[in-house]
Amino acid sequence: DQQVKQNSPSLSVQEGRISILNCDYTNSMFDYFLWYKKYPAEGPTFLISISSIKDKNEDGRFTVFLNKSAKHLSLHIVPSQPGDSAVYFCAATAWGTGNQFYFGTGTSLTVIP
Amino acid sequence: EAGVVQSPRYKIIEKKQPVAFWCNPISGHNTLYWYLQNLGQGPELLIRYENEEAVDDSQLPKDRFSAERLKGVDSTLKIQPAELGDSAVYLCASSSQGTAAFFGQGTRLTVV
Repeated sequence: DQQVKQNSPSLSVQEGRISILNCDYTNSMFDYFLWYKKYPAEGPTFLISISSIKDKNEDGRFTVFLNKSAKHLSLHIVPSQPGDSAVYFCAATAWGTGNQFYFGTGTSLTVIP
Repeated sequence: EAGVVQSPRYKIIEKKQPVAFWCNPISGHNTLYWYLQNLGQGPELLIRYENEEAVDDSQLPKDRFSAERLKGVDSTLKIQPAELGDSAVYLCASSSQGTAAFFGQGTRLTVV
């Protein structure tokens, strides 16, 4: 059973515009959410995270929004750059049950110059 | 600070042969993970260690896969014998309590 879902396998965005990547989860016990970025032939790289006590976390061009009632989070990249082209994975964990991370299936972002 | 180190980066073996992967986690990280990633999928947990104890190995195919983390630091994952369906990327990650998991570059296994 997939507890973290990314329903958009791919996304294309023009350079300079906003990229919005979405993620849904089913487990209400999750209290920490993360986004990873993965280039081909490399391991996933941690990008940004958010605790369930917040609804927004910002780091430079990257902002993650959390809607707990909808069990939904999103990653906004503004402005998008060609170097942002990668696969983005959403992940979640429930700290009280140990350091177990659950990953979505990824969204491949292409930023068109 | 050094990141998670995995070796080898690539491995090609014939089916029915054994193979082993090695991982050295970030210093001070007590939790070590082995994940499997198939094309177009997210990482799927094979086994999770807290120090030297395997606390979650429910997804590890124990008939052919084994893992160890003897001194609570580096770890090896072994497949014996390998099957064609084992071709994938094997990722190692580590974390401390309350932090993100940090990944190595992975080992791409091809079984022919």
